[in-house]
Amino acid sequence: TQLLEQSPQFLSIQEGENLTVYCNSSSVFSSLQWYRQEPGEGPVLLVTVVTGGEVKKLKRLTFQFGDARKDSSLHITAAQPGDTGLYLCAGPGSSNTGKLIFGQGTTLQVKP
Amino acid sequence: ETGVTQSPTHLIKTRGQQVTLRCSSQSGHNTVSWYQQALGQGPQFIFQYYREEENGRGNFPPRFSGLQFPNYSSELNVNALELDDSALYLCATGGGSDANYGYTFGSGTRLTVV
Repeated sequence: TQLLEQSPQFLSIQEGENLTVYCNSSSVFSSLQWYRQEPGEGPVLLVTVVTGGEVKKLKRLTFQFGDARKDSSLHITAAQPGDTGLYLCAGPGSSNTGKLIFGQGTTLQVKP
Repeated sequence: ETGVTQSPTHLIKTRGQQVTLRCSSQSGHNTVSWYQQALGQGPQFIFQYYREEENGRGNFPPRFSGLQFPNYSSELNVNALELDDSALYLCATGGGSDANYGYTFGSGTRLTVV
């Protein structure tokens, strides 16, 4: 069974601090995606990483895919209150059904 | 505005009742997936429809069923509602049966079963 485990599950920091969220699995994934979800909304795709070792940057967010394609990380530099939300990693299931397997999410709270 | 519209936004039902949730996409993607998200958890895959046929199913009982219409809109039907069915139900569209490139999600329907 493919599982994605995220850590930490909850993070509360002050504006301006840096943070890293981890997404780990014992299974190899062909790609991993990161989504951000705000209360009352659906997840919004931030990035997809496909190649082992790949690093992608989205303004103050840096995403990395592990060399073995079993893990990924999201690093936020100088967090702002607008970064508050639920961060989800997700990867395609092994069967060709279009299924996405999600981690349980990391709730980030950035205090002004 | 994601281009994926779900209705209703909120719903309260009694245990044992049946419910139909709806999803439509402005872009007319031929793939639609449904997910259940319990409070504080990541979404769980219910099933996917591709060109009006069920393409894959997660670990959900048969009382969860769906339809996709020729205009690519979709319905999720849940019979014999249970208290544990209370969750946010998300519809997602994409360009095909390949999940590698991400999906566009609607804002969801919050279902409460009492």
